[in-house]
Amino acid sequence: GAVVSQHPSRVICKSGTSVKIECRSLDFQATTMFWYRQFPKQSLMLMATSNEGSKATYEQGVEKDKFLINHASLTLSTLTVTSAHPEDSSFYICSAKLPTPTNEKLFFGSGTQLSVL
Amino acid sequence: GEDVEQSLFLSVREGDSSVINCTYTDSSSTYLYWYKQEPGAGLQLLTYIFSNMDMKQDQRLTVLLNKKDKHLSLRIADTQTGDSAIYFCAAAPGRGGYNKLIFGAGTRLAVHP
Repeated sequence: GAVVSQHPSRVICKSGTSVKIECRSLDFQATTMFWYRQFPKQSLMLMATSNEGSKATYEQGVEKDKFLINHASLTLSTLTVTSAHPEDSSFYICSAKLPTPTNEKLFFGSGTQLSVL
Repeated sequence: GEDVEQSLFLSVREGDSSVINCTYTDSSSTYLYWYKQEPGAGLQLLTYIFSNMDMKQDQRLTVLLNKKDKHLSLRIADTQTGDSAIYFCAAAPGRGGYNKLIFGAGTRLAVHP
């Protein structure tokens, strides 16, 4: 199956710094990628939908100035957590959608565990 | 909006069948999915069912859908220790399939000898 690479897998940073997370589709072109956030023992919450070449669509309650998303190419989307605070500590997962009409072609990265001290 | 609920924990003996249940609220959900998440990893699609189906079988996995009750279940036959993971049910409300998946909180399956 298709591969989605997410990097880094784990990051620890100081409060106030910015952290960039990359999501790459390795063997296919993804016009649409999704960013999710997962708290311990809770479900995945969709944060935003990233479309190549256009602005991301954010879900209600997600601060777009806090979570900057850039989808500059068909294989790369980045999520930057700006001025991170301890409450931003979470597991962030990206997914990429194959540009086909079938609906099962969605692949997830392995996630990034962010810890803000 | 769509709400997806599942029980949080299930413990089974190796070799037995596991049944993980899920309920959803939006009757317009066209696709319903089951994902598996192993520790520290992303999600792996196990199977999915279209809303006009009642059942789907794929090797050890059987998905049952009761559209009237908005109830979805995943049965794993001959459960193995490698099946220990968190299983997420997800619904795609309305048309468009993957455009906006709503996940349940996940069921942690523990398989013991």
